[in-house]
Amino acid sequence: GDSVTQMEGPVTLSEEAFLTINCTYTATGYPSLFWYVQYPGEGLQLLLKATKADDKGSNKGFEATYRKETTSFHLEKGSVQVSDSAVYFCALRSTPLVFGKGTRLSVIA
Amino acid sequence: DSGVTQTPKHLITATGQRVTLRCSPRSGDLSVYWYQQSLDQGLQFLIQYYNGEERAKGNILERFSAQQFPDLHSELNLSSLELGDSALYFCASSVGGDRITEAFFGQGTRLTVV
Repeated sequence: GDSVTQMEGPVTLSEEAFLTINCTYTATGYPSLFWYVQYPGEGLQLLLKATKADDKGSNKGFEATYRKETTSFHLEKGSVQVSDSAVYFCALRSTPLVFGKGTRLSVIA
Repeated sequence: DSGVTQTPKHLITATGQRVTLRCSPRSGDLSVYWYQQSLDQGLQFLIQYYNGEERAKGNILERFSAQQFPDLHSELNLSSLELGDSALYFCASSVGGDRITEAFFGQGTRLTVV
């Protein structure tokens, strides 16, 4: 069945460092892909999405490109802030949404 | 604010007991999903309802059951609770029932079984 694999955390970075969180998927066809973010004490919220191959999703300085050749959707940000500390989930469109296990990011000042 | 409301926010109960978690979806959304989040298992899909009918079933234990009412709110019933059922339970909603493009999550109910 459909599945998502993302890098294990936790990831600890200094403020203004470059962030990459790897995500690969296994699915039939080319499903839409998503990154969700969960801030402390809150539910998940959609960060960005891409609906077809080569699409780039972006929001709040985060970007991810849908690469069908490598079945990947890595999340990147050029300069992280303390406020980006959260758990990040990669997901793919299926019935229901299929999530990776989440990667906890801590950004220190 | 996602528009999805879950109650209660916190619940502490003893082993063997039964609890009910409630979810009100966003206005206009017909689908409700229940997920269990634990530290070691990540986000596990339990069950989906669409317009009152069960649409998909995941790793939901027989001790757990859910339903969606005519006003589209949903309840997740957990019975014969065990220590291992302690987790964060999320409800999400979406407009459609299949191949959803976006789901909106509530803030979750933290269940602690002692």
